[in-house]
Amino acid sequence: DAKTTQPNSMESNEEEPVHLPCNHSTISGTDYIHWYRQLPSQGPEYVIHGLTSNVNNRMASLAIAEDRKSSTLILHRATLRDAAVYYCILSSSGGGADGLTFGKGTHLIIQP
Amino acid sequence: DAGITQSPRHKVTETGTPVTLRCHQTENHRYMYWYRQDPGHGLRLIHYSYGVKDTDKGEVSDGYSVSRSKTEDFLLTLESATSSQTSVYFCAISGGRFDEQYFGPGTRLTVT
Repeated sequence: DAKTTQPNSMESNEEEPVHLPCNHSTISGTDYIHWYRQLPSQGPEYVIHGLTSNVNNRMASLAIAEDRKSSTLILHRATLRDAAVYYCILSSSGGGADGLTFGKGTHLIIQP
Repeated sequence: DAGITQSPRHKVTETGTPVTLRCHQTENHRYMYWYRQDPGHGLRLIHYSYGVKDTDKGEVSDGYSVSRSKTEDFLLTLESATSSQTSVYFCAISGGRFDEQYFGPGTRLTVT
């Protein structure tokens, strides 16, 4: 399975935009890029996903590089509630077990 | 929030005893998953189901079995619990193979 690389942690200030990077240089053409986050003591929460084009929803934006070897999750205006571990995950239609393969993610710290 | 519950939410059991965790959904989603989460690891897939009586193994299935006799219920059984199975267990549901997954609140299992 294609793997992702994320920074262990990032810090940002409240009310500022946050750009969370993810590298996936071995991504295949059928891999979707998913982002989930996990708040303390909770189950993971879906944030956004995409295949090739940039995507927007009420929570965030996903910017996908033209060669698809990297992507960036954008939180437009961080709040203290956005402090969580963010996971960048690839899911493939090319076979193998279903389900998501979680790495260690990026621990996002929001300073007031 | 997606209608997904897990029971029990906390359990302490002794080594060698059988344990069954239940995941219940009210969304009529086809796919259901069991993950475990341990310190220093992301979530790891144990088993998943793609329909009633249709299940398959995930990354860390040894020592676990599952059953799905109804769309709404997915049971995870530890036939003979070991201390290495002390973990937080999350259930997830999804409407389609590459759709977003919705996670339950988790079950904290301690095997003494």
